[in-house]
Amino acid sequence: GESVGLHLPTLSVQEGDNSIINCAYSNSASDYFIWYKQESGKGPQFIIDIRSNMDKRQGQRVTVLLNKTVKHLSLQIAATQPGDSAVYFCAEEGGNTPLVFGKGTRLSVIA
Amino acid sequence: DVKVTQSSRYLVKRTGEKVFLECVQDMDHENMFWYRQDPGLGLRLIYFSYDVKMKEKGDIPEGYSVSREKKERFSLILESASTNQTSMYLCASSRWVGGEGEQFFGPGTRLTVL
Repeated sequence: GESVGLHLPTLSVQEGDNSIINCAYSNSASDYFIWYKQESGKGPQFIIDIRSNMDKRQGQRVTVLLNKTVKHLSLQIAATQPGDSAVYFCAEEGGNTPLVFGKGTRLSVIA
Repeated sequence: DVKVTQSSRYLVKRTGEKVFLECVQDMDHENMFWYRQDPGLGLRLIYFSYDVKMKEKGDIPEGYSVSREKKERFSLILESASTNQTSMYLCASSRWVGGEGEQFFGPGTRLTVL
């Protein structure tokens, strides 16, 4: 699990601003990536995923960017809301192995 | 919706006790996983299973065992609980053969070993 990590353990963002959460991975064979959100007292929930044949994928208010050259993954949240406050995990997968999770970033939204 | 349930939200046990954590999923998923989650360490994989009666060690299997007698149920066993096993335990399941793809998580069991 140590090959996947996050640059910042905590991030504070003003409500309404955009948030960017970063993730570095070291396994160049990884071909599938997921972002999870974990609210206090709950298990992680799927937000968005991306395969290595894509650079960008958009969901509702969220965008995932993948830069395979530098092995970097980011999650962008548009117009951050108080309900977005949570811990965010990136996870990678390559071959027939289970997901490898990063250590997580705590996002705090300031009202 | 996929539902993964865990038998207890909170559990307090004493050192040396045998502890069973139960997990059930209702979507006929092939794969099931047990993680522990500790502050600053993220999710660490303890054991996983790709089929009934099959199990594979994850990154930190020491002190744990598992049982998968039925497809929908995956049990984590602490043979002799120790204080360093105090943690949040998360169960997950996923559909695709080989363990690939999105995992669906249960709400977690917070275990305290005194």
